[in-house]
Amino acid sequence: GDSVTQMEGPVTLSEEAFLTINCTYTATGYPSLFWYVQYPGEGLQLLLKATKADDKGSNKGFEATYRKETTSFHLEKGSVQVSDSAVYFCALTEAGGGADGLTFGKGTHLIIQP
Amino acid sequence: DGGITQSPKYLFRKEGQNVTLSCEQNLNHDAMYWYRQDPGQGLRLIYYSQIVNDFQKGDIAEGYSVSREKKESFPLTVTSAQKNPTAFYLCASSPGQRRSGTTFGSGTRLTVV
Repeated sequence: GDSVTQMEGPVTLSEEAFLTINCTYTATGYPSLFWYVQYPGEGLQLLLKATKADDKGSNKGFEATYRKETTSFHLEKGSVQVSDSAVYFCALTEAGGGADGLTFGKGTHLIIQP
Repeated sequence: DGGITQSPKYLFRKEGQNVTLSCEQNLNHDAMYWYRQDPGQGLRLIYYSQIVNDFQKGDIAEGYSVSREKKESFPLTVTSAQKNPTAFYLCASSPGQRRSGTTFGSGTRLTVV
């Protein structure tokens, strides 16, 4: 079945550092890929998405590119802020058939220190 | 603004009692989902519904039940058969086309005392 693997946390960085959170996936066909962010005590918010190979999703300074050849969707940001501290989830939805929602990675807890 | 409302935000239950978590959406989404979140385990799918009066079991449905009598409502009952119910529960919805982003509620934290 489909699966998503992302780097375990916590990831601790200083403010203004460069961020990469790795995400790889296993899926049949051509899934859509997503990054969600969860702030403490809250639900998940869609951060960005990409629906086909080589698409780049971007939002709030974050970017991720759908790489079919490496089955990856790594999240990057050039200069992180304390307010970026949160848990980040990589997710996919399969390309065809079924409708059982998103498959999630286990989440990466990001801590940004001032 | 459209969105998903989950209530209550915090819920305490005694062992052996059933409890129902509310989820309401005004996004006119066809599909609704319930996820359970535990530390270090990500999100796991409990139940989902693609249409009114129809729902399917997810990966961890044992000890839970749902109903979908109205398009906008998808309540989850945690029964006494659920062995370890303390967790953070998230409701979500999506339009008919799954490639669109799924929208989440703010969650209910259930604690069994």
